[in-house]
Amino acid sequence: KAGVTQTPRYLIKTRGQQVTLSCSPISGHRSVSWYQQTPGQGLQFLFEYFSETQRNKGNFPGRFSGRQFSNSRSEMNVSTLELGDSALYLCASSYTSGDTQYFGPGTRLTVL
Amino acid sequence: DAKTTQPNSMESNEEEPVHLPCNHSTISGTDYIHWYRQLPSQGPEYVIHGLTSNVNNRMASLAIAEDRKSSTLILHRATLRDAAVYYCILRRGGNMRFGAGTRLTVKP
Repeated sequence: KAGVTQTPRYLIKTRGQQVTLSCSPISGHRSVSWYQQTPGQGLQFLFEYFSETQRNKGNFPGRFSGRQFSNSRSEMNVSTLELGDSALYLCASSYTSGDTQYFGPGTRLTVL
Repeated sequence: DAKTTQPNSMESNEEEPVHLPCNHSTISGTDYIHWYRQLPSQGPEYVIHGLTSNVNNRMASLAIAEDRKSSTLILHRATLRDAAVYYCILRRGGNMRFGAGTRLTVKP
């Protein structure tokens, strides 16, 4: 079974721009969670989607948003990028909410 | 939210057992104890989880204290591939809150 895939793997943007990251979960998984990892703050939970509905949300500003499609693929969007948004963005999928999560390799976002 | 405390770093010799401790004194009755590890340049990888009883799988064993205020991840024979950051997480429902983790160094 193919693992979680994330695209793109690397991205460079400038301040003020917006960015969309994509995550394809493991086949059959219906829950997708997003995390941000930085050297200073570590791994922080952004949000979780299950069956196209946001189930949980972390403590991030409204510039961070996401959605999930009917095929369980998910996207997250960050608008008005700031330098502090430079991070590794990780996606994890699970069969259902609360089940074991399997992580993708992440998207490395650099904001200049 | 319940919090976990882990040592920042630990060292082990190859082929020897490793015991990674985790304190979670504010754990609630419905919190599961999960362990993940993150190898360099990779996303976190599930290791093991448990609620009250000790658990074993092909990767590791999880020993949970009787009062559930602490747990220990046991790698029975460390290999160089086990060098990673190990996260102990209390999980209730969908999201997981990661702490700083323990960086394990394995010496040949």
